[in-house]
Amino acid sequence: DIQMTQSPSSLSASVGDRVTIACRASQDISKSLAWYQQKPGKVPNLLIYAASTLQSGVPSRFSGSGSGTEFTLTISGLQPEDIATYYCQQHKTNARTFGQGTKVEIK
Amino acid sequence: EVQLVASGGDSVQPGGSLRLSCAASGLNVGDNHMSWVRQAPGKGPEWVLVSYSGGGTFYADSVKGRFTFSRDNSKNTVYLQMNSLRVEDTAVYYCVRDWGCFDPWGRGTLVTVSS
Repeated sequence: DIQMTQSPSSLSASVGDRVTIACRASQDISKSLAWYQQKPGKVPNLLIYAASTLQSGVPSRFSGSGSGTEFTLTISGLQPEDIATYYCQQHKTNARTFGQGTKVEIK
Repeated sequence: EVQLVASGGDSVQPGGSLRLSCAASGLNVGDNHMSWVRQAPGKGPEWVLVSYSGGGTFYADSVKGRFTFSRDNSKNTVYLQMNSLRVEDTAVYYCVRDWGCFDPWGRGTLVTVSS
């Protein structure tokens, strides 16, 4: 199975900061990557698919980039409501896999 | 609006069985690829299986041979038959529409495997 590795595992940033989360795949997955946001006690919510396409209704401060094995989720201007854990997920193969998550907190 | 509501979760002993159901509205399960995804307490999501609308179901190694997917198009419902349950199967189970990524996520159902 393809392994997905996120970094960092957690981060603390101030409101308004630019936040970057990395996701690395153990093999080439082209652009078959999604990002999810999971707020405490809630169901994961799709933010970005195809590595860089924003899901409808998601604020434009969220963006995704990358292809192949290296991907990035960026929050341009962290807001208090962005406190959550973020997961990447690949679907290049039938065996979908998630990263271990990055917990984002406000400093 | 698409809604997916899972049910059937319970507390069972190791080695036991459960059958989860997921009723869909706003989409036809027969026309969509469907997956089950689970999330253990305090952990990240874990993909369990994907079933393609055109046929073919693929399982995670951790559940292969123990879990079985089925769908009833007439009831617009998908199922997850879970046998030989293990402590490590404890999780909230979600059915999701699978278009490579998972959206939407329905209301999950909690499965607890404990002696």
